[in-house]
Amino acid sequence: KAGVTQTPRYLIKTRGQQVTLSCSPISGHRSVSWYQQTPGQGLQFLFEYFSETQRNKGNFPGRFSGRQFSNSRSEMNVSTLELGDSALYLCASSSSGAPRADEQFFGPGTRLTVL
Amino acid sequence: GQSLEQPSEVTAVEGAIVQINCTYQTSGFYGLSWYQQHDGGAPTFLSYNALDGLEETGRFSSFLSRSDSYGYLLLQELQMKDSASYFCAVRSMEYGNKLVFGAGTILRVKS
Repeated sequence: KAGVTQTPRYLIKTRGQQVTLSCSPISGHRSVSWYQQTPGQGLQFLFEYFSETQRNKGNFPGRFSGRQFSNSRSEMNVSTLELGDSALYLCASSSSGAPRADEQFFGPGTRLTVL
Repeated sequence: GQSLEQPSEVTAVEGAIVQINCTYQTSGFYGLSWYQQHDGGAPTFLSYNALDGLEETGRFSSFLSRSDSYGYLLLQELQMKDSASYFCAVRSMEYGNKLVFGAGTILRVKS
């Protein structure tokens, strides 16, 4: 079974631009979560989608948005990029719709650099 | 502020046993998870404890004490490949059911 895939793997943007990252979960997984990982802040939760609905949202500004499609693939968008948005963006999928499902399968991440 | 506390770094020798502690402060606690992440890699799930006690999976064990809001990950027969970052993560009603990660513990295994 293929793992979680994320595209692109690396991205360089300039301040003010916007970016869209994509995540394909493991086949059959309906829950997709996004995290931002930086050396100083660790893994910070962005949002969680289940069956095309945003089930949970972290404490990030409105410039960060996401969506999930009917095939469970998910995208996240960051508009008006700031230098501080440079990070590794990780997507994770899980099989259960129950909120307590904690075995998440992570993709390799997208390394975003904002210049 | 940070509601999960774990040591920032631990060093141990090959073949030894190491324990990585995690304390948390939250209400409506559901469970504690552990993830491993190698440099440049994706986090991988190691274990999940919802009830008090020890869960063993091969060389790795995880323990939870709900009354003490405390858990640990125990790694036995350390190997060089165990050098990685280890994160504890908590899901609770207070956090709105989202998974909240600790800052991570860097484990360095020396030969």
